[in-house]
Amino acid sequence: ETGVTQSPTHLIKTRGQQVTLRCSSQSGHNTVSWYQQALGQGPQFIFQYYREEENGRGNFPPRFSGLQFPNYSSELNVNALELDDSALYLCASSMDRSNEKLFFGSGTQLSVL
Amino acid sequence: SQKIEQNSEALNIQEGKTATLTCNYTNYSPAYLQWYRQDPGRGPVFLLLIRENEKEKRKERLKVTFDTTLKQSLFHITASQPADSATYLCALDTYNNNDMRFGAGTRLTVKP
Repeated sequence: ETGVTQSPTHLIKTRGQQVTLRCSSQSGHNTVSWYQQALGQGPQFIFQYYREEENGRGNFPPRFSGLQFPNYSSELNVNALELDDSALYLCASSMDRSNEKLFFGSGTQLSVL
Repeated sequence: SQKIEQNSEALNIQEGKTATLTCNYTNYSPAYLQWYRQDPGRGPVFLLLIRENEKEKRKERLKVTFDTTLKQSLFHITASQPADSATYLCALDTYNNNDMRFGAGTRLTVKP
């Protein structure tokens, strides 16, 4: 059974640039959720993907977008990066849109300069 | 407004003692509540889930209670060990666009 993997582990970008983060879900899981975690805070829900469709979104602007592929892996894209986008980005996988017992990856640490 | 509050940012205890962490929420009616452990630079790891019709759940040295009247969950680690040092997060499902809400976490340090 493979766990949730995210890439890259660290990334440095400048304000205004675009970034793509990647996530491979746990084997057998068809749902991926993305979270943003600022330093000293809990994870904040960005959106969830189920069977390649967005299935719920938190309070994030449209410049945060995502994709899910037929193999259930997922991407998070952020356009027009702002300094406040600096955070740990986590993806979590689960089954059938459930939020129970989420399996998280180790995250991508994004720094925007 | 809706809030999830964990009792303190940091909790220091002596090895062998029981750690008790608190999660209070306001203006939510969760069907279940979860506890996760997070180590520095890592993603959260699921520990326990307790449903609204359950008063208590146990797993080895861990115990969770859920009081929907008080809108509070307590998380206990008995016979604590230095390896239990981590940040512990509570989380509840808001039933709003699949939005899971996490508390800010309590950083537990167990001293030998």
